[in-house]
Amino acid sequence: NAGVMQNPRHLVRRRGQEARLRCSPMKGHSHVYWYRQLPEEGLKFMVYLQKENIIDESGMPKERFSAEFPKEGPSILRIQQVVRGDSAAYFCASSPGQGLDTQYFGPGTRLTVL
Amino acid sequence: AQTVTQSQPEMSVQEAETVTLSCTYDTSESNYYLFWYKQPPSRQMILVIRQEAYKQQNATENRFSVNFQKAAKSFSLKISDSQLGDTAMYFCAFMGLYNNNDMRFGAGTRLTVKP
Repeated sequence: NAGVMQNPRHLVRRRGQEARLRCSPMKGHSHVYWYRQLPEEGLKFMVYLQKENIIDESGMPKERFSAEFPKEGPSILRIQQVVRGDSAAYFCASSPGQGLDTQYFGPGTRLTVL
Repeated sequence: AQTVTQSQPEMSVQEAETVTLSCTYDTSESNYYLFWYKQPPSRQMILVIRQEAYKQQNATENRFSVNFQKAAKSFSLKISDSQLGDTAMYFCAFMGLYNNNDMRFGAGTRLTVKP
């Protein structure tokens, strides 16, 4: 059973470009979570999605950031017009269902904005 | 709001010895999960151990065990017979029953195992 997959592992963008981060949950998992980790900090929750639905986006910046989890394909975290402050590691996690359940993390995508 | 505090930014231990990492949390919920995750230099987040708040028995996973003190809201991780591969950042995390979308992480403790 493959784990949570994220790609790319490393992404470099210039200021003003768009960044698209992909996450494929573990097989059988229908719940996806995105977290951001700034250097030397813990992970901060951004958004929680189920297939075709955003359930909780309370941790997501109001502008430039969006997320989706379509019926087919991976979950996408999109950052438009990136700025240097967006440089961070972005982790995706998945769980089989809502409620108290362990979230399993992907390897993360390290975004560097030049 | 739930908060998770790890008061030890860095720790070190000699190989084969035992080390304890501290974690405290604040919540008004009675049912929740607590986790320790390990983040080695590869930056992968690896689940080390999980504790359900309604269970009085402390969780154990091989060389890893926790000391869960619910009244004190304390959740420390003990690593026995430390190995070089245990060198990593360790994050304590909280997940509440009523807000389980949002797993709260501490700031982390950087553990170095010395040969």
